[in-house]
Formats: sequence, C-alpha cells, structure tokens
Amino acid sequence: EVQLVESGGGLIQPGGSLRLSCAASGFTVSTNYMSWVRQAPGKGLEWVSVIYSGGNTYYADSVMGRFTISRDNSKNTVYLQMNSLRAEDTAVYYCAREGQQLGDHYFDCWGQGTLVTVSS
Amino acid sequence: DIVMTQSPDSLAVSLGERATINCKSGQSVLYSSNNKNYLAWYQQKPGQPPKLLIYWASTRESGVPDRFSGSGSGTDFTLTINSLQAEDVAVYYCQQYYSTPYSFGQGTKLEIK
Repeated sequence: EVQLVESGGGLIQPGGSLRLSCAASGFTVSTNYMSWVRQAPGKGLEWVSVIYSGGNTYYADSVMGRFTISRDNSKNTVYLQMNSLRAEDTAVYYCAREGQQLGDHYFDCWGQGTLVTVSS
Repeated sequence: DIVMTQSPDSLAVSLGERATINCKSGQSVLYSSNNKNYLAWYQQKPGQPPKLLIYWASTRESGVPDRFSGSGSGTDFTLTINSLQAEDVAVYYCQQYYSTPYSFGQGTKLEIK
C-alpha cells in the first residue's frame, strides 16, 4: 500500500527552526517527485516546495531562503528543514507525491499532515 | 506566477441535483506540444488531506465515482458533480501544474441545501 506519514510538527517560537519528515512506504521517493503543501488554519492549500527525482529543488517565494527540502534514499524519507520561522508559517504541512508519468505534476498521494504552530 | 480563481466560494445544492464549480487560470495551462491541460481537481473533507479527483482537466482518478467530471481548456475549467450525494460535502480545489510555483484555487465549499 502506498503511504506517506509526516512527523516533526509542533509549537515553535518565532525565529526558531523545525525539521519535518515524510516517511514513504509502498514506493521509492528517489524515483518520484515529492512536494510539501501547507494549509493555514481555516485557509486554502499552498504549495511550498518540490524535490525532483534528479535532485532539483524548487520553492515558493514565501519560503525561499528559509526552507530546504531534501531526501534520504536509504530511509525512503523526504524532509523539510524550516528556519527563521514566522507566525504566518503556522499551518498543517502535507507531504505529497506527484503522479507517476513524466509531466504528471498533480498530487496522487497525500499524507495526513503535521501541524506546525509558530507562536511565542 | 499563475493565479487560480474559483467560483463560487460556496455552493448549496439539493441531494440528487447537479453541482458546478468553476476555475479560471491567470494564463493558459494548455501545453501546445501535447495538447494537455495541466489542471487537477481535489476534494477535501474536514480533518482529512485532499484527495485527487481529476487530472489533465478531465481524466478521472481511479476509484472516483463517475458522477464527478471535469471539462474545459486553456484558462476556463469546470468540475461537475451529478446527482449530488451526502458524502460529497467537502471543499473542492483546482490546481495548475503547468509551471512552478504550482498554485491552487481558493477553494469552493459545497454543502447540501
């Protein structure tokens, strides 16, 4: 069964750092495009970052220079390192897998999400 | 960046009736080389992650009931839900994947009248 399980969320003070993890099962993260998508409380979806199978990474302007996406192939896990956190980063962070064919940049598998709260 | 705008923001439809949600992109998401529209639709129920319904604007994801259909091309798209069921109550989002940053519409909340 294809599954994504996020962890690492919690309450953090403004300016602090947090690392989110997304453990995959049923498929290999290194051969897929993997994204992080967030959702502020009561709000819509916002794409955050993607890591391609070849290793290229891309970010939303709102997190550029503060967040870093990476993966550990041996652990079949994707990470999101979040630094210099702000109140507006408060959200549920979802890990999502893109479709299986070239160009399939829609998200066909989502994790349950992990809540990050940035507050003093 | 491509801005996605959905209408309406909320919608109340009677059971068994048809619901129609619109999505407009700020620029065309039709890729001329393959004639594909890089547009997806998702359903999100309270407390759950989004679920993929439609991709390539009109291709239904495996397991999605055939009462859900997508149409449109270029910049204007529609999600249609025929014969509305109680379990269809959710927020629906469109998403363009033509270029990064990928972007979503603001969501349409669908309720039962």
